[in-house]
Amino acid sequence: AQSVTQPDIHITVSEGASLELRCNYSYGATPYLFWYVQSPGQGLQLLLKYFSGDTLVQGIKGFEAEFKRSQSSFNLRKPSVHWSDAAEYFCASRGNFNKFYFGSGTKLNVKP
Amino acid sequence: DAGITQSPRHKVTETGTPVTLRCHQTENHRYMYWYRQDPGHGLRLIHYSYGVKDTDKGEVSDGYSVSRSKTEDFLLTLESATSSQTSVYFCAISDIQVRHLEAFFGQGTRLTVV
Repeated sequence: AQSVTQPDIHITVSEGASLELRCNYSYGATPYLFWYVQSPGQGLQLLLKYFSGDTLVQGIKGFEAEFKRSQSSFNLRKPSVHWSDAAEYFCASRGNFNKFYFGSGTKLNVKP
Repeated sequence: DAGITQSPRHKVTETGTPVTLRCHQTENHRYMYWYRQDPGHGLRLIHYSYGVKDTDKGEVSDGYSVSRSKTEDFLLTLESATSSQTSVYFCAISDIQVRHLEAFFGQGTRLTVV
C-alpha cells in the first residue's frame, strides 16, 4: 500500500540555523511528491512539488527539497530558518487513482 | 489562490444528529477530496470524487457518505454524528493537467460533536 512517513514529530531549531525535515514514501512508480505547510488554524499551503526531471526542486519561502529514488526520500531543507517558519509541515504523494497520501506531519519550533 | 469554500467553518452538534459539510469550488477541477485532520495522524482521506456522481471511499469512510451532483459541489454527510468524528475537516481539489496536479485546500471546518 502506498504510504508517506515523516519520522520526526517535533523539531526545534534556532533562528538562523539550517533545517532538514525528513520524508520517506513507498510507491512502485515515480510518485508525484509535495511539501505543504500549515500555520495554526489555517489550511495547507503548497511549498513545492516534484513530478520529474531535476531532483532538486525549489519552492516558496526559500525552501528546497531533494528527491532521492535510491532512498525513497524527499527531504525538505532551508539554509537559514526564520521565526515565521514555525508551523507544521506535511509531506504528501499523489498515486493510484489520483489519491493523495499524507505523512503525519512535523511540527517545527523556532528558538529565538 | 484556488477558489475553494467550505461551509460552515465551525459547527457544534449533538451525538446522533446528521451533519452535512459543503465544499464549493470555482476552478472546475475534476477531483475533489474530503480529509479529516487529527493530531498525530496527519490528513486521512475519507472519500473522494473523480467526477459528477463518481465517488469512492478512502481509508476512514465508515460513518460518512458523500455526494457530488455538480462539478463544483462536494458534500460530506455524517449520518449519525459520534464523538470520534470531532475533527477538522478539509476539502481539497485537484486535476490532471500538469499545473493542477497538486491538491489545493479549503480553510477547513472545525466540527465538535458533544
